[in-house]
Amino acid sequence: EADIYQTPRYLVIGTGKKITLECSQTMGHDKMYWYQQDPGMELHLIHYSYGVNSTEKGDLSSESTVSRIRTEHFPLTLESARPSHTSQYLCASSGGGGDEKLFFGSGTQLSVL
Amino acid sequence: DQQVKQNSPSLSVQEGRISILNCDYTNSMFDYFLWYKKYPAEGPTFLISISSIKDKNEDGRFTVFLNKSAKHLSLHIVPSQPGDSAVYFCATGGGSNYKLTFGKGTLLTVNP
Repeated sequence: EADIYQTPRYLVIGTGKKITLECSQTMGHDKMYWYQQDPGMELHLIHYSYGVNSTEKGDLSSESTVSRIRTEHFPLTLESARPSHTSQYLCASSGGGGDEKLFFGSGTQLSVL
Repeated sequence: DQQVKQNSPSLSVQEGRISILNCDYTNSMFDYFLWYKKYPAEGPTFLISISSIKDKNEDGRFTVFLNKSAKHLSLHIVPSQPGDSAVYFCATGGGSNYKLTFGKGTLLTVNP
């Protein structure tokens, strides 16, 4: 069982609000990722980090930002939420064992009204 | 342009029968391949993987087959159970790239 946690599980918020989605893992993994997924669509990589103070944008452009100040913590922030940000946000980590198996959190379902 | 394609959005099978889910990829540099299972409003959970040096990997009721020349992999579930009903994602990665690329998923429904 993977030890990676996301909070909140569900978030309904009004347009223009600033939000932070939390992600923590206790496995000591260097690599962490944020994916965004809509129903019936693939998971799109929006941010990743290969270690502390290392963050990169993913394949899908996103208005969100991330930080990696501690190995175990990889929060995602939206400065001003919009209805187009409504989606499921999935955090994952990897130990880099060669097959890049990702362990996912339970996800945050974000709805922006 | 999609690098990983799961052309069947859905599949329905009878309990006890075999479920076969398919995945095609375009990048010959991919050298490891994974299947994930996902329930609504949950994160994906890892099922089974295979590296490019193999053509088959088995774990209990789940078997993954890889055909590198055809850039095709498949997941077989035998026998299928109602608890297997979920969305199944194929994912690939390779080289110095530590990122996985996912398909759109196939919704499997196993009917009692």
